[in-house]
Formats: sequence, structure tokens, C-alpha cells
Amino acid sequence: DQQVKQNSPSLSVQEGRISILNCDYTNSMFDYFLWYKKYPAEGPTFLISISSIKDKNEDGRFTVFLNKSAKHLSLHIVPSQPGDSAVYFCAAEAGNNRKLIWGLGTSLAVNP
Amino acid sequence: NAGVTQTPKFQVLKTGQSMTLQCAQDMNHNSMYWYRQDPGMGLRLIYYSASEGTTDKGEVPNGYNVSRLNKREFSLRLESAAPSQTSVYFCASILRGGLTQYFGPGTRLTVL
Repeated sequence: DQQVKQNSPSLSVQEGRISILNCDYTNSMFDYFLWYKKYPAEGPTFLISISSIKDKNEDGRFTVFLNKSAKHLSLHIVPSQPGDSAVYFCAAEAGNNRKLIWGLGTSLAVNP
Repeated sequence: NAGVTQTPKFQVLKTGQSMTLQCAQDMNHNSMYWYRQDPGMGLRLIYYSASEGTTDKGEVPNGYNVSRLNKREFSLRLESAAPSQTSVYFCASILRGGLTQYFGPGTRLTVL
């Protein structure tokens, strides 16, 4: 059973608009959440993270929101740019060994 | 500073052949990881090494062995390749106390 779920396999938005990518989790022991971005034929690259003690973290155009009661987090990209077109993975971590549990990813297409 | 490097980038094997995937990092990171990514499956942890001299199984270790040769290098070995091991393999590393994993570019392996 998937502990980290990204229920939308794909998302298409217009350049300049907001992109919202969603992630749900089932394990209340997760204490750290990360978003990674992946271009074709490259490894994932870290984008932004949030600790379970916070409900929001912002870095430039990227904001992650965490709703612990709903076990839900979302990544907002404002404004979206064509270079943001990639697969976005949500990952969660519990414990000290830094093992990550990954969602299946959402493919974002930002159209000019 | 090359970050995390992986060799080879591509490999085609016949069923039953063996090979070793190499990973090295020059960031003085303590922990290293091997993942595989399959279509529709996200990233799954094969093995990890929390520190030099230690290795532990991840989610899908069957059919693989690893060696943490030194602090820099972490290799993944397929002793008898099977078509089910056709995948893209990613190596990652993280600094002790750090919060984000850094990924290599991946090795695309096909087993015929």
C-alpha cells in the first residue's frame, strides 16, 4: 500500500498561472517532507522541503503547504514558467536514517 | 566539484550476465543510497549505506548486492541479471545531519 500518494499523474497549466501539485500520506510518523523535480534523462533534484512542525515554507516562486490533520501537502508554483515542465515527486521521511518514501510523481506541463 | 557521478550511463545485458554499477560522490557525504525507477512505480530503495562500512537492505533488495568501498564510493552489483531488473538506477548521497539527498544522473539498464 502506497504511503505517499500523488493522485494526479499529470497536470497542464498556462504560463504565468499557478500550478498546484498535491500529495497525500498515510503515516503520521513522517516528520519531514520534500519535493523533488526531475527532467528526462537526469536525476531528481531537490526543490523545497517542510518540517512537520511547520505549515508553510516558501522559496521564491515555490511554496509548500502542509496540513497535518488532513495528511496532505501541496506545492504551489507562481507564476509557472515553461522551464518548470518536469516530473515532480513528493517524498516523506521518518527516522534518523534519512530513508525516503516516494510518491509516483506528477508530470507538469507549462504551456507558453 | 562533480557531485554524484554514476557509470555507466547506459548498459544492455543478456539474462544471466553480471555487472557492477558504480557511484561516487565528492561532497564528503556520509550516507549513500541506490534506487531504481520503473514506469508507474516511482523511486524504490534497493540498498543504502548509512556510513562507511555499513550497508542495509531497502524496499527491493532481492537480486542485488552492494559494497561501500570507502566514504566516496558505493557500488551495486547484479550477479545474474534478469529482465525484471530492466530499470533506471539512481545513486544518491546525503551529509550526516543533512536533510536532502543529492542524486546522480542515473544508469539506464536493459536486460534482454
